[in-house]
Amino acid sequence: NAGVMQNPRHLVRRRGQEARLRCSPMKGHSHVYWYRQLPEEGLKFMVYLQKENIIDESGMPKERFSAEFPKEGPSILRIQQVVRGDSAAYFCASSKAGPSYEQYFGPGTRLTVT
Amino acid sequence: GQSLEQPSEVTAVEGAIVQINCTYQTSGFYGLSWYQQHDGGAPTFLSYNALDGLEETGRFSSFLSRSDSYGYLLLQELQMKDSASYFCAVRDLGDYKLSFGAGTTVTVRA
Repeated sequence: NAGVMQNPRHLVRRRGQEARLRCSPMKGHSHVYWYRQLPEEGLKFMVYLQKENIIDESGMPKERFSAEFPKEGPSILRIQQVVRGDSAAYFCASSKAGPSYEQYFGPGTRLTVT
Repeated sequence: GQSLEQPSEVTAVEGAIVQINCTYQTSGFYGLSWYQQHDGGAPTFLSYNALDGLEETGRFSSFLSRSDSYGYLLLQELQMKDSASYFCAVRDLGDYKLSFGAGTTVTVRA
């Protein structure tokens, strides 16, 4: 039973480029959450999605960041025109029902902006 | 909104007992969750307290007191593999997101 999958695991981008992070939830899960984690810090909520719907994006910066969870395929977190401050680990989590206190996390994508 | 406070680090020896406290300020929430994270890897769900009292799951127990705005995670019979970061998290009433504390790094020594 495959867990939450994220790719790529590591991503290096130069300032001004775009970063696309993918997340495939656990089988049977239709609720997806994205978090950002800086070194030595906790997880910061970014966005909560269900299939084809953004439910809560209160943690997402207003500019350059967007997320989607299409009917088919993985959830995508997109960061346009990356800056050094975007360097972080981005974790995706999923749950069967939501919003849930029990979330299953993927291994994360480590984004480095040079 | 809410804020959660945890100690930043705890060190203990194998076989010992460690208690990680989590104090919070929130106007109302559904319950308190705990997650474990090894070396920046995927956080894993440990426990959830919706009601006051103690929940026991093997060597780990979690406690909640709403009246005291306080909870803790108790790690018993510590093993080297328990060296990790532990996060408490809450979901405010009417909110969708989980809000995490900054985490407590537990180091287990032989």
